[in-house]
Amino acid sequence: GQQVMQIPQYQHVQEGEDFTTYCNSSTTLSNIQWYKQRPGGHPVFLIQLVKSGEVKKQKRLTFQFGEAKKNSSLHITATQTTDVGTYFCAGYAGGTSYGKLTFGQGTILTVHP
Amino acid sequence: NAGVTQTPKFQVLKTGQSMTLQCAQDMNHEYMSWYRQDPGMGLRLIHYSVGAGITDQGEVPNGYNVSRSTTEDFPLRLLSAAPSQTSVYFCASSQTSGSPQQYFGPGTRLTVT
Repeated sequence: GQQVMQIPQYQHVQEGEDFTTYCNSSTTLSNIQWYKQRPGGHPVFLIQLVKSGEVKKQKRLTFQFGEAKKNSSLHITATQTTDVGTYFCAGYAGGTSYGKLTFGQGTILTVHP
Repeated sequence: NAGVTQTPKFQVLKTGQSMTLQCAQDMNHEYMSWYRQDPGMGLRLIHYSVGAGITDQGEVPNGYNVSRSTTEDFPLRLLSAAPSQTSVYFCASSQTSGSPQQYFGPGTRLTVT
């Protein structure tokens, strides 16, 4: 079945440093989604990438979707303590998936002030 | 809209006990799913449903049952709780077409002693 691998599992940064997490799917995706989970909270949708090579920005966050639609990355510029949490990518195969996502293992980001 | 609601928030069970985790959504979403989240394991899909009367197994279905008699509700039953089922459980819902994003409930923290 479809697998989505995400690295790194943990990342500790000093406030102001950049952060990147990478996601790789075993199969070509219809789209990829990113979610953020604050400590003690539930995952919340951040963004969705659909087109090959797509790049989207949300303030200090930059999301990229690979040309082959199998990999993606999330880059945070100049981290802040509010960025703390777990970031998940989730692949959507489309077609007969009917909403089913395959989540990566997540990257836990810690930001030291 | 309340979105996705889950009850209870916390639960402690003894080994061998049974219980039902409740999940409801008011967004008329066809797709609903249950995940468990354990440290370092990300979100693992237990069961999912693409509409009333239709359910299917996810990645880790053993020890859990589901049913979907209405669009709104998707309860998760633990038949005979085991310590290995200690986890945080999230329910999520989405549409089944287009590029569906998942909406998560607040989670149920379950401890089995």
